[in-house]
Amino acid sequence: DAGITQSPRHKVTETGTPVTLRCHQTENHRYMYWYRQDPGHGLRLIHYSYGVKDTDKGEVSDGYSVSRSKTEDFLLTLESATSSQTSVYFCAIRRNELNTEAFFGQGTRLTVV
Amino acid sequence: AQKITQTQPGMFVQEKEAVTLDCTYDTSDPSYGLFWYKQPSSGEMIFLIYQGSYDQQNATEGRYSLNFQKARKSANLVISASQLGDSAMYFCAMREGPGDKLIFGTGTRLQVFP
Repeated sequence: DAGITQSPRHKVTETGTPVTLRCHQTENHRYMYWYRQDPGHGLRLIHYSYGVKDTDKGEVSDGYSVSRSKTEDFLLTLESATSSQTSVYFCAIRRNELNTEAFFGQGTRLTVV
Repeated sequence: AQKITQTQPGMFVQEKEAVTLDCTYDTSDPSYGLFWYKQPSSGEMIFLIYQGSYDQQNATEGRYSLNFQKARKSANLVISASQLGDSAMYFCAMREGPGDKLIFGTGTRLQVFP
C-alpha cells in the first residue's frame, strides 16, 4: 500500500459548477500527477507536481488548475465543469527521479450533467 | 505528436503462449525511463516493469520482459506463458524531464483464451 487516497471516489455535479478533487499521500513522495482516463485515449496527463508549489501543465490542462501547498496533498480543480470533463480521474505519486514506479490511487469517477 | 504510441488496440493470445505488446516512444531527452502497467477490469493500475534509457540489459520481472531497442525507440512488453488472469488493458509509459513528466500511451487490450 503506497498510502495514496483520492476523494471523493464518485461525484455527480452540474455543468458550470466548480469541483475539487483531492489526492492525499502519506509517504512524502516528491512527484504527484493527475490523469484523466477516457475510452480510446488511455491516461492523459492533466497537471503534475515536482514539489511543494512546483507544478506544471500536462497535455490536457485546459479547464483545470492544481495546487500543492504541502507535500501530502495535490488538489485538482475544475473551475467550471463541463460535460466533456466527465471522466475517471487518477492521481499518481512517485518517490523521486530515479527508476521508481508510480503508485496510483483508486480513481474518481466524475459525471458532469 | 504522440510521445508514446501503442498501435495494437486489441490482442488475443491462447493460454500458455507468449505475446508481445508493442510500444514506441519519442523523446529528445537522453535520460528517460519506460514503464509498463496493467489495468484489469477492476480498474486499478498495476506496475509491471521498468527500463531506464541507460540500462544495458533488457528488464525482466518474472513472466514479463521488456524488449528495449533504443535505436528504434521501441520498448515492447513480452509476456511469456500467458495466463487467463493476464487479460487486461496494458499501458506503456515514459518518464522524461524536466519535472519528470510521466506520459502514457492509449493502451492495448489483451485477451487470453483457453
